[in-house]
Amino acid sequence: DVQMTQSPSNLAASPGESVSINCKASKSISKYLAWYQQKPGKANKLLIYSGSTLQSGTPSRFSGSGSGTDFTLTIRNLEPEDFGLYYCQQHNEYPPTFGAGTKLELK
Amino acid sequence: EVQLVESGGGLVQPGRSLKLSCAASGFTFSSFAMAWVRQAPKKGLEWVATITSGGSNTYYPDSVKGRFTISRDNAKSTLYLQMDSLRSEDTATYYCAKDGLRRGLFDYWGQGVMVTVSS
Repeated sequence: DVQMTQSPSNLAASPGESVSINCKASKSISKYLAWYQQKPGKANKLLIYSGSTLQSGTPSRFSGSGSGTDFTLTIRNLEPEDFGLYYCQQHNEYPPTFGAGTKLELK
Repeated sequence: EVQLVESGGGLVQPGRSLKLSCAASGFTFSSFAMAWVRQAPKKGLEWVATITSGGSNTYYPDSVKGRFTISRDNAKSTLYLQMDSLRSEDTATYYCAKDGLRRGLFDYWGQGVMVTVSS
């Protein structure tokens, strides 16, 4: 199985700042990396897939980059609604596997 | 609007069975593969099962293979997860998810249902 290593585990930032979350795969997954947002009481939301393609409805302040084994989610000009948990997931092969998550907290 | 609503969770003793349901609406259910993903308390996400659009093929990780069965009723737009021989490590919130443009990419999720396995 492809192991996904996500960093950092926790991140504190203020509205208006920019942050980056990293995800590393144990082997090449080509471009097939997705990012999800998880918030209490809400359904998990797909933000980005295939490394850099924004899902319909994802604000343009979110961007994804990378290929092979190293990927990054960047959020520019943080909004209050952006605070929560973020997970990466490889969708290149079965079984689909997730990173351990990054908690983005308000500083 | 895509909606996925899980039901059937609860407290169950180790070794017993439980069946989860997921009612889907807002899209052509019979055209998409569907999946279950779980999250143990304070832990990350773990894929549990996938079923193809017509129901002819199913996929599981080793952790649940032989104990869990995913199925679907396309006439009712409903997804199921039959969980047998439950263990304490199966305690988790179970999410129903719709497969997206690519197998294993989950573009819509339900809000989840809690399953607690304890004596």
